[in-house]
Amino acid sequence: KQEVTQIPAALSVPEGENLVLNCSFTDSAIYNLQWFRQDPGKGLTSLLLIQSSQREQTSGRLNASLDKSSGRSTLYIAASQPGDSATYLCAVRGDSNYQLIWGAGTKLIIKP
Amino acid sequence: NAGVTQTPKFQVLKTGQSMTLQCAQDMNHNSMYWYRQDPGMGLRLIYYSASEGTTDKGEVPNGYNVSRLNKREFSLRLESAAPSQTSVYFCASRGGLNYGYTFGSGTRLTVV
Repeated sequence: KQEVTQIPAALSVPEGENLVLNCSFTDSAIYNLQWFRQDPGKGLTSLLLIQSSQREQTSGRLNASLDKSSGRSTLYIAASQPGDSATYLCAVRGDSNYQLIWGAGTKLIIKP
Repeated sequence: NAGVTQTPKFQVLKTGQSMTLQCAQDMNHNSMYWYRQDPGMGLRLIYYSASEGTTDKGEVPNGYNVSRLNKREFSLRLESAAPSQTSVYFCASRGGLNYGYTFGSGTRLTVV
């Protein structure tokens, strides 16, 4: 059974720092992996989608990598800003049409 | 703006009452999903619809029913609400197999 783990559960860093959020999964037979952002009381915003054949995806200050063989993905945030404060979730899609397995998220706080 | 629209945003029900959560997407996506999000448990799939005219159970379907009214709309019904159904409910849609998920802003439901 696929399990997705995000460590740490919470992270607080000063503004301007580069940081890495981690996502690990137990079954390497994934179709794709998606990173989301969730602001308090809000819905989920898709950040990056990495297909199983890809190694990384970039969008602005965000870079997501995928290493299927080791069951890991990282989300790199460059030059962090207070507006980056949110909970970051990763979700892995398996082979079936609907299966999307979620991590519990990392709550990120960027201090001004 | 294109996306997934959920109504209502907030709802308080008494135990035993019924209600329907509405979801509509305007991206011509085939697949639609209902999730619930509870503190410390992440997102769990309630029901999904791979295409118009089909629906299937997810991880936690008990106490819920769904209707895929047409390609745009996918509703979730609670026939007899229970306090255990207090949660935040998210609707999502997805295009083809290589595409990621788009989420609505959520419905915060409290059952007293």
